[in-house]
Amino acid sequence: DTGVSQDPRHKITKRGQNVTFRCDPISEHNRLYWYRQTLGQGPEFLTYFQNEAQLEKSRLLSDRFSAERPKGSFSTLEIQRTEQGDSAMYLCASSPGVDGASETQYFGPGTRLLVL
Amino acid sequence: AQKVTQAQTEISVVEKEDVTLDCVYETRDTTYYLFWYKQPPSGELVFLIRRNSFDEQNEISGRYSWNFQKSTSSFNFTITASQVVDSAVYFCALWTGAGSYQLTFGKGTKLSVIP
Repeated sequence: DTGVSQDPRHKITKRGQNVTFRCDPISEHNRLYWYRQTLGQGPEFLTYFQNEAQLEKSRLLSDRFSAERPKGSFSTLEIQRTEQGDSAMYLCASSPGVDGASETQYFGPGTRLLVL
Repeated sequence: AQKVTQAQTEISVVEKEDVTLDCVYETRDTTYYLFWYKQPPSGELVFLIRRNSFDEQNEISGRYSWNFQKSTSSFNFTITASQVVDSAVYFCALWTGAGSYQLTFGKGTKLSVIP
């Protein structure tokens, strides 16, 4: 049983460019989450999907951020017009969706973004 | 609003010593869940334990043990006979529901085990 995978693992971009990250959850997990982690901090919640529906968004998810999960499997997170403050680790997690909202979330290795 | 405090930013111990990582949480909800995750240098968060607010029994898993005390709003994590492979950042997290699926994390404690 493979874990959550994320691509790319590292991304360097120039300020103002758009970037897109991909997350593949654990097979048959219908819940998917995105978090952001800056240096020296714990992960902060960005958004949550139940299958293809985006059911919860944090106020951290500004207008420049958009997430999709078109077929209820993999998800993408796009950041438009990147800013240096977007530099962080972007973590994806998934959970089975069978044990209530409190069930364990399993995390991927993250995508580390550096905006120059 | 919920909050998780991990007051210890960094801890260093010599291999084979025992070490306790502190976690204090704040919530007004009576139903909540607490988690611990390990983040090695590779970056991936590894799940360690999930505990609900109605179960105050301590738990032991090999060299790991957890002490949950509602009276002090604490969920501390002890590693017995630490090993170099235990070196990582450890996060405590809280889920309180109320229609939300998000976990609230503490800032983490970086543990260094010195051989």
